[in-house]
Amino acid sequence: DVKVTQSSRYLVKRTGEKVFLECVQDMDHENMFWYRQDPGLGLRLIYFSYDVKMKEKGDIPEGYSVSREKKERFSLILESASTNQTSMYLCASSLQGSLGYTFGSGTRLTVV
Amino acid sequence: GESVGLHLPTLSVQEGDNSIINCAYSNSASDYFIWYKQESGKGPQFIIDIRSNMDKRQGQRVTVLLNKTVKHLSLQIAATQPGDSAVYFCADLNTPLVFGKGTRLSVIA
Repeated sequence: DVKVTQSSRYLVKRTGEKVFLECVQDMDHENMFWYRQDPGLGLRLIYFSYDVKMKEKGDIPEGYSVSREKKERFSLILESASTNQTSMYLCASSLQGSLGYTFGSGTRLTVV
Repeated sequence: GESVGLHLPTLSVQEGDNSIINCAYSNSASDYFIWYKQESGKGPQFIIDIRSNMDKRQGQRVTVLLNKTVKHLSLQIAATQPGDSAVYFCADLNTPLVFGKGTRLSVIA
């Protein structure tokens, strides 16, 4: 069964900390995505990547960065966590040219 | 910018009844849509898709209807069950995926 694995289900971090959210997929997918999900706002795209070492800004990239050193791994980095980054973070992947996304189970991040 | 949006944020349905979840989109060039189901504590999962050359597509207990004239699509769930309780998203398959905000379906036993 194909999988997208997010390293943590729940995280609590302090304001100002540097936070790493990890996502790994075992499907040899080219495309990987990071979304955040908030009540009333749905899923909003933060960053995405179509290839190793490649990244593109989504709709809300401010306060975030990403790293894609290997095809299977896409990391989301909060350089200096703030309380307004408390959210559910979802990683997804897809094959190049494919129309189907596979999502991870999400990481619920709380910044205190 | 282009967007997709669901008509209602919440929907309550009696068990055994049919559910209809509606979605509107704004991009006339959109040609492929997917419905996702997100259960509590999980990521969204694919339910059914439809291309713009189709008006209707059926799966197991689910049917998606597409009206390109008014840029509207709907997801119909037959004989709704408690396991159908979830948040449902329609998505316009322009990469990267553009999601609606979701409709939370609650099934009343």
